[in-house]
Amino acid sequence: QQQVKQSPQSLIVQKGGISIINCAYENTAFDYFPWYQQFPGKGPALLIAIRPDVSEKKEGRFTISFNKSAKQFSLHIMDSQPGDSATYFCAASIGNFGNEKLTFGTGTRLTIIP
Amino acid sequence: NAGVTQTPKFQVLKTGQSMTLQCAQDMNHEYMSWYRQDPGMGLRLIHYSVGAGITDQGEVPNGYNVSRSTTEDFPLRLLSAAPSQTSVYFCASSLQRGAHNEQFFGPGTRLTVL
Repeated sequence: QQQVKQSPQSLIVQKGGISIINCAYENTAFDYFPWYQQFPGKGPALLIAIRPDVSEKKEGRFTISFNKSAKQFSLHIMDSQPGDSATYFCAASIGNFGNEKLTFGTGTRLTIIP
Repeated sequence: NAGVTQTPKFQVLKTGQSMTLQCAQDMNHEYMSWYRQDPGMGLRLIHYSVGAGITDQGEVPNGYNVSRSTTEDFPLRLLSAAPSQTSVYFCASSLQRGAHNEQFFGPGTRLTVL
């Protein structure tokens, strides 16, 4: 049962363009939504995260947009650069004490072409 | 700080063999976990630990054992390897129990079971 659905599976964007990756979730108890970035041969690393009490969070060129009613959230990468080429995972979790598990999406392989 | 370290980086096993994947962290993190990463399936939680002496099952625990005798180490044991366990394994840690804490991932172990 895939609780967090991520699309697209792969994405090619021209340098300077906007990369958009979408995720949808089912469990309305989720209350924390991080994005992880993974370069080839490395482990994932936290990129940016949002809680459902805000609709948008921006850190540099990376923005999360959150739509609570639609149960969707997305990652926008502005002015995409070749160094952004990586696999991106959305995730969701419930913050109740004792319920620590992160549920990951299936990942999006992003390629930025010059 | 070395962060989260994993050994070995690569391993080939024959069906039925056993082995232990090592994971260590030097950040005094309370929470540690093991994930497996398979193409098109994202990261799936195998087992996790909220502190020394405490472990629990994740989403895909069958065929794997864990123990947590110290804060630093969290080994993953495959008792009788099967081809379905061919995957990339990541260990992660975070400061405290509670999924809202950033998880730090190790570099991964690529395991092939023939």
